[in-house]
Amino acid sequence: GAGVSQSPSNKVTEKGKDVELRCDPISGHTALYWYRQSLGQGLEFLIYFQGNSAPDKSGLPSDRFSAERTGGSVSTLTIQRTQQEDSAVYLCASDPGRADTQYFGPGTRLTVL
Amino acid sequence: AQSVSQHNHHVILSEAASLELGCNYSYGGTVNLFWYVQYPGQHLQLLLKYFSGDPLVKGIKGFEAEFIKSKFSFNLRKPSVQWSDTAEYFCAVNAAGNTGKLIFGQGTTLQVKP
Repeated sequence: GAGVSQSPSNKVTEKGKDVELRCDPISGHTALYWYRQSLGQGLEFLIYFQGNSAPDKSGLPSDRFSAERTGGSVSTLTIQRTQQEDSAVYLCASDPGRADTQYFGPGTRLTVL
Repeated sequence: AQSVSQHNHHVILSEAASLELGCNYSYGGTVNLFWYVQYPGQHLQLLLKYFSGDPLVKGIKGFEAEFIKSKFSFNLRKPSVQWSDTAEYFCAVNAAGNTGKLIFGQGTTLQVKP
């Protein structure tokens, strides 16, 4: 079946611009996660959605970062007023909601010039 | 706060050599443990996991890992590596019964020479 998909695969933007990154989880998966993979910081948790519960935003690095999940499926991660330190690969993952195996997407490579 | 430490950042082996990658975690409660692998140009994928039961778990492609609770360790092993095992390996934990968010180690790059 289809895996987790993310778009765009690459995004180059100028410092100060806003960007939106999209994630389509595996159909039927109720849990969705965003992570960031960057040099020197490794893989960091950003935010977690589970069904209709309030999201766990404990990993968001600043208030410039936000995410939403519409209809319990697609999620969008928004970074406002991008900074060079936001350059990273942003990974999305989903699981069936049992905190079991997370299935990762291919990531969006964000470059902030 | 939870943390995960992988001791080896870059490992170079010849084919048929044995592999052991170290992973230690810091957390006072019950954890679930994972090893993920990222082959060049591919997604992160699960190699193996431990939730409970037999502390020696077997995963795909001949990998195994042993959970030693007293040492807070979950080391990854393979008796004989292949060139196709060249990849980056990540150890991760989440707090059992919690949100499921994963805390990852820094990763180990394995290079296997043919």
